[in-house]
Amino acid sequence: DVKVTQSSRYLVKRTGEKVFLECVQDMDHENMFWYRQDPGLGLRLIYFSYDVKMKEKGDIPEGYSVSREKKERFSLILESASTNQTSMYLCASRTGTAYEQYFGPGTRLTVT
Amino acid sequence: AQKVTQAQTEISVVEKEDVTLDCVYETRDTTYYLFWYKQPPSGELVFLIRRNSFDEQNEISGRYSWNFQKSTSSFNFTITASQVVDSAVYFCALRDNNDMRFGAGTRLTVKP
Repeated sequence: DVKVTQSSRYLVKRTGEKVFLECVQDMDHENMFWYRQDPGLGLRLIYFSYDVKMKEKGDIPEGYSVSREKKERFSLILESASTNQTSMYLCASRTGTAYEQYFGPGTRLTVT
Repeated sequence: AQKVTQAQTEISVVEKEDVTLDCVYETRDTTYYLFWYKQPPSGELVFLIRRNSFDEQNEISGRYSWNFQKSTSSFNFTITASQVVDSAVYFCALRDNNDMRFGAGTRLTVKP
């Protein structure tokens, strides 16, 4: 079974802090994704990566950056957290040839 | 433009009732893929099904069935004889040349 893990299920940070959300997959998938989920808006793509050290902006990249130094790990960085970044963050991965994305359990981030 | 609409925000049924979750999509591409995901209270999105645009055959898997109609750009999901464990948020998604786009989700509550 594909396993996608995220470093924290719940996280509380203060405004202005730098926040790191980590995602690890164990199936050697090339593609990895970060989404945020908000009520009524579904999932919105923040960033994705097709390979190590490669990254592409999604629909809402502002205020975020990413890092992919190893194939299995994709990190989402909030350089200076703000209250409007309070949300559920979901990481996903898939192979280059298949189309299903496999999701981690999510990190519920609260910025106060 | 690529778009997925799930008009039903919330549905509540009593156990053993049948329920249909609607999904309408928009795309300019002739090749695309449609998905349904389930998000139980635990938070992790679980992949349910993928259909490609060239295969309009309906699919049944146990109590789940999917009705894909290109003429109306719809990909509806029916749960027969619903159970309490079916309570979750269900997402419809579209993947075309612009990658994945999710609907806003439908929250299904099945009451005993």
